[in-house]
Order: sequence, then C-alpha cells, then structure tokens
Amino acid sequence: RKEVEQDPGPFNVPEGATVAFNCTYSNSASQSFFWYRQDCRKEPKLLMSVYSSGNEDGRFTAQLNRASQYISLLIRDSKLSDSATYLCVVNAVAGTASKLTFGTGTRLQVTL
Amino acid sequence: GAVVSQHPSWVICKSGTSVKIECRSLDFQATTMFWYRQFPKQSLMLMATSNEGSKATYEQGVEKDKFLINHASLTLSTLTVTSAHPEDSSFYICSASAVNLNTGELFFGEGSRLTVL
Repeated sequence: RKEVEQDPGPFNVPEGATVAFNCTYSNSASQSFFWYRQDCRKEPKLLMSVYSSGNEDGRFTAQLNRASQYISLLIRDSKLSDSATYLCVVNAVAGTASKLTFGTGTRLQVTL
Repeated sequence: GAVVSQHPSWVICKSGTSVKIECRSLDFQATTMFWYRQFPKQSLMLMATSNEGSKATYEQGVEKDKFLINHASLTLSTLTVTSAHPEDSSFYICSASAVNLNTGELFFGEGSRLTVL
C-alpha cells in the first residue's frame, strides 16, 4: 500500500462547480498534513495546511479525519485558474527526523 | 519572489556524461535541503536529504555513488548525476527548510529537467 494515496483524476469540472479531493495515508504516526498545488512542469507550492478541526481559506476547505487516516480538500466556485495538480502531503516525525511524503496528485481541469 | 533558486532549468546531455544541478537558498540559511525526482504523472520521490557540513542521507534504492550530493554551505547544495543514462531523464527538484518541518512550507526550487540522449 502506498504511504499516501490519491485518485489521480483528471477531474473535469465546469467553472463555478464545487469539487472535492480525497487522500488517505498509511502511517498512523503522521503528525501534520498539507495540500500543495503543482502547475504543469512547475515546482509544487503550499496551498494550505490541514488542521484537525478543519480549516478554510477563501474558496478552499481542508479537513482531516485521523481515525480514518483521511484528508480532504474542497474547492468551491471553481475558477479556470484552479486547473492544476493537487498534492496531498503528509509529514511523519520519527525522533528528530521529519519526512514529507507526497501523494501522486489529483489533476483538476476547470473548463468554461 | 523565489526563495530557492535552482540551476539549470533545462539540461540535455549525452549518455555517460555527468550533470551538476545547483540549489541555492535566497535570503535564508538552509540547514537542510531535500532532493526530489519526479517522473511524468508520478509523485515527487525523495531521493536524499542534504545536511550542511555532513553526508547526505539517501533514500532506499537511490545510489549514492551515482547521485552525488554536496551541501558545502548554508545556502548551496549540489546534485551531480554521474554517468547519466536515458533512464535518469526526469524532473529534479530541490527544496530547502530553515525551520522545523512541522511548519509544512518547504520552499522549492524551480526544478531542473534533465534529458539524457
């Protein structure tokens, strides 16, 4: 089983739609969670952290379910500029070592 | 603006040659830098963790003699792909961290696309 699993998509949605991505992780020692965005042939950039209580940043809402080892990202009112690959990232800390593990990403294509 | 600069962005080389990629942290000192590789439609795979002034820690399956990492200063880490082969063609990305990773925000370089002919 992969450490971080995501549906690769692509998710094709019309502008204005609401879309949700899911991610599961296998390491129960994982302590922090993030969503990164990666545009084609570019480096990843942090979109938002994911907190236990859930958190929102504008049109983006992230949720964490530790019991099910599951993370989600909801995008409301999709814009064309949201088209990208969304990477689920998990940080497991062992002693003093931290390791970020990336999912394969979910590709989103927003259309007119 | 970019806080991590990576160079070169693109490189094409002949099989058997060596290629050096530089990763520089701008405006901050990076005690730890990470090197990733990403094949098309795949996730970023951590190759090695580079610590300033000490040997890099390689992930399982990554040949340390093939992928030489040098982190000689707090602002520069280099990755040298030695005796490159076509299967080494990939997108190599570095990232740098100055603080505990629990902050989550790794600053990534722009990536280096290597094509080995």
